[in-house]
Amino acid sequence: QQQVKQSPQSLIVQKGGIPIINCAYENTAFDYFPWYQQFPGKGPALLIAIRPDVSEKKEGRFTISFNKSAKQFSLHIMDSQPGDSATYFCAASPTGRRALTFGSGTRLQVQP
Amino acid sequence: NAGVTQTPKFRILKIGQSMTLQCTQDMNHNYMYWYRQDPGMGLKLIYYSVGAGITDKGEVPNGYNVSRSTTEDFPLRLELAAPSQTSVYFCASSYTGTSSYNSPLHFGNGTRLTVT
Repeated sequence: QQQVKQSPQSLIVQKGGIPIINCAYENTAFDYFPWYQQFPGKGPALLIAIRPDVSEKKEGRFTISFNKSAKQFSLHIMDSQPGDSATYFCAASPTGRRALTFGSGTRLQVQP
Repeated sequence: NAGVTQTPKFRILKIGQSMTLQCTQDMNHNYMYWYRQDPGMGLKLIYYSVGAGITDKGEVPNGYNVSRSTTEDFPLRLELAAPSQTSVYFCASSYTGTSSYNSPLHFGNGTRLTVT
């Protein structure tokens, strides 16, 4: 019930491509869905987040798409750059819970 | 501001040894967390604290202990190190609970621990 399943485990795209990372959840009490970005040797940092009352949120080149009925959400990176190479984690949290449940992570490589 | 500071950055322990991973934050955050990160497994919550003197177990607390005597510090103690505790450990903090875009988790840069 508390799991968040993330795919793919790794992804390689060419510069300018649009990598898509997918996450699925079971717990219908989840109501906050952030994405965290982690560079090698660093801790994760919040990238973008969405609540289930909207189907899409954009911040710069990063977009979250949310499908409440399917219990799925995804991260799209437009015009990807080598500097976007990092590990990306989706996460979820229900109202009132004090800690996030993280997905297993996706290692993205953007080749020049 | 330094944010969340973790020490040491790296450590090798022998089986059965003990150690304390240090974590301090200078953002006056009430909530602090310890996560472990294993390849392909994401981040698993070990313990968390909602304020000084208050701690609670996360998903994977066995083999660890914590204390929170001040708002700033949240050390993680390993009493009898085992190979299964080989991992990268991250400390994090947030102003309120994490169910908020305005109160994200702030992570330290991690401690890489190897138990042999």
